[in-house]
Amino acid sequence: ELKVEQNPLFLSMQEGKNYTIYCNYSTTSDRLYWYRQDPGKSLESLFVLLSNGAVKQEGRLMASLDTKARLSTLHITAAVHDLSATYFCAACNAGGTSYGKLTFGQGTILTVHP
Amino acid sequence: NAGVMQNPRHLVRRRGQEARLRCSPMKGHSHVYWYRQLPEEGLKFMVYLQKENIIDESGMPKERFSAEFPKEGPSILRIQQVVRGDSAAYFCASSLRIGRIRSSYNEQFFGPGTRLTVL
Repeated sequence: ELKVEQNPLFLSMQEGKNYTIYCNYSTTSDRLYWYRQDPGKSLESLFVLLSNGAVKQEGRLMASLDTKARLSTLHITAAVHDLSATYFCAACNAGGTSYGKLTFGQGTILTVHP
Repeated sequence: NAGVMQNPRHLVRRRGQEARLRCSPMKGHSHVYWYRQLPEEGLKFMVYLQKENIIDESGMPKERFSAEFPKEGPSILRIQQVVRGDSAAYFCASSLRIGRIRSSYNEQFFGPGTRLTVL
């Protein structure tokens, strides 16, 4: 059974600082997703990582995937208040009839302070 | 191109009543997933449907919950005889295709969710 764990679960950052959120998954996964969720809102897709060594960047966020280590990271550069939200990673079950089913991590609640 | 639509956005039910949640996938999408998010938790998979077929319902409670995706019309998640523990946000996602193709075509797009409160 695929399990996904994120850490840290809570992250309090100062504006301008850098930090990394880690996402470990337990078994082979074809894809790794990162989502952002604001309070009371739906999930906004940030990144889809499809292959080992994949790196994607959008603004102050950069995501990477190491399929051998079963690890993805979301790196935040020079944080700003607008990045405050909950961030989820999700891995995709490979094969079988559940192909495409997402297993989510617990989420990381990010708060950026002035 | 409208995104995934869910209604109602908020639903209040008393214990013992039925809740019906609707999901209209993105145009051209024939795969629908339902996820549940309990307060302060991540999303948990409930059921995966294609048109007129339930493919995987391994995440759905065995009793009181059912889902369908008819040939015409939205996908429906039904919860009978609701209890307080059913209070959660229910998200629907749709995708274009499923297959062993390493592309973003498999990406799931999420609806705004239905927030169910059971009194």
